Amino acid sequence: DSGVTQTPKHLITATGQRVTLRCSPRSGDLSVYWYQQSLDQGLQFLIQYYNGEERAKGNILERFSAQQFPDLHSELNLSSLELGDSALYFCASSELAGSYEQFFGPGTRLTVL
Amino acid sequence: AQTVTQSQPEMSVQEAETVTLSCTYDTSESNYYLFWYKQPPSRQMILVIRQEAYKQQNATENRFSVNFQKAAKSFSLKISDSQLGDTAMYFCAFMKHVNNDMRFGAGTRLTVKP
Repeated sequence: DSGVTQTPKHLITATGQRVTLRCSPRSGDLSVYWYQQSLDQGLQFLIQYYNGEERAKGNILERFSAQQFPDLHSELNLSSLELGDSALYFCASSELAGSYEQFFGPGTRLTVL
Repeated sequence: AQTVTQSQPEMSVQEAETVTLSCTYDTSESNYYLFWYKQPPSRQMILVIRQEAYKQQNATENRFSVNFQKAAKSFSLKISDSQLGDTAMYFCAFMKHVNNDMRFGAGTRLTVKP
């Protein structure tokens, strides 16, 4: 158990819908990362938040957005869903400084029908 | 942009034998971090081993060791005394700075056969 929690574990929805994925980092971790793992794109970085502020952006679509709240949990919002958005979405967290290890959550499996 | 290449989509090894997984990367940075992550059928991402680019000594964690060749931009993972529980996808990853995002290779599916 990494200490990072993600909800829900599984999500099934229809094209065009909007969903929210939630992540709680390890206690004391200020940085949260979102990754998408799909069959055709592999594992790719989406976005990073650090203490409530966006810090880095990867291959995140405009239909996707994220935020980190004062209690440091993060949410990834996916809208106008397409079949190709079906994937495993991971959240990871890391400490403020001096630590380069990211701890991954168990992931949320999103299926778009 | 940093890219990570794993040229072996699938590999297999007999139990108790040794196997080496390859990884190359491309970067213009001089200081960075490299990782091997394991993803078993449970899909959990588990850190296997990490290497700081400024360290010349190759990292070792029990049965897992790396061969880090900075000039060649190569970072291979050696698994000794392979166990059935080592069966998993293995991802090589690159991080430019501390607390930065990671870039992953496409993965190598390793099967350990009894």
